[in-house]
Amino acid sequence: GAVVSQHPSRVICKSGTSVKIECRSLDFQATTMFWYRQFPKQSLMLMATSNEGSKATYEQGVEKDKFLINHASLTLSTLTVTSAHPEDSSFYICSARDQVRRGAAKNIQYFGAGTRLSVL
Amino acid sequence: GQSLEQPSEVTAVEGAIVQINCTYQTSGFYGLSWYQQHDGGAPTFLSYNALDGLEETGRFSSFLSRSDSYGYLLLQELQMKDSASYFCAVTRGSTLGRLYFGRGTQLTVWP
Repeated sequence: GAVVSQHPSRVICKSGTSVKIECRSLDFQATTMFWYRQFPKQSLMLMATSNEGSKATYEQGVEKDKFLINHASLTLSTLTVTSAHPEDSSFYICSARDQVRRGAAKNIQYFGAGTRLSVL
Repeated sequence: GQSLEQPSEVTAVEGAIVQINCTYQTSGFYGLSWYQQHDGGAPTFLSYNALDGLEETGRFSSFLSRSDSYGYLLLQELQMKDSASYFCAVTRGSTLGRLYFGRGTQLTVWP
């Protein structure tokens, strides 16, 4: 079964509103989680590294004020798309790594099922 | 920065063997991963190489040559369900989990 849960799976919102996406590790603790976005038929682009108890690390070119990340517990990271616009419409996916048990040495990342955001 | 090159499309018939190549250019290379993604779904882990050589996991194998900045994914005994996108991804530095993906290879398996 899924080891990383992502919610919601789909959201449609009006331009200018903010949308929060949750990513949970289900039976392991994750001090770091990762957020990606993916456009149709394209690659996954790493947006940021979410760090439990500290600030997220953003990739070059990603607006930190636009994509707010909070990692308040060892099992939950949230991504908030603020003042969303149509160009923010995309597939957002999170991932986490079980550093202790499953596949830690193999650098196995477990991905959530993704959130499809459509901004009207 | 980093760049990864992999073929955009590959087709094959059931039971065949397919090799998907990946060349990369990056600083701080740590390892090469392979992920499978069906349309609209979550990427799922297939294989990981940090050292040169071949890793075998069932029908899937992956190879890495660090000196050539090159790797490949080998899929054997292809099945229809293997039709999906396959991504190679590099890990830079020691922060495992920060993955930088290639553009993906769409594999279509015909009966």
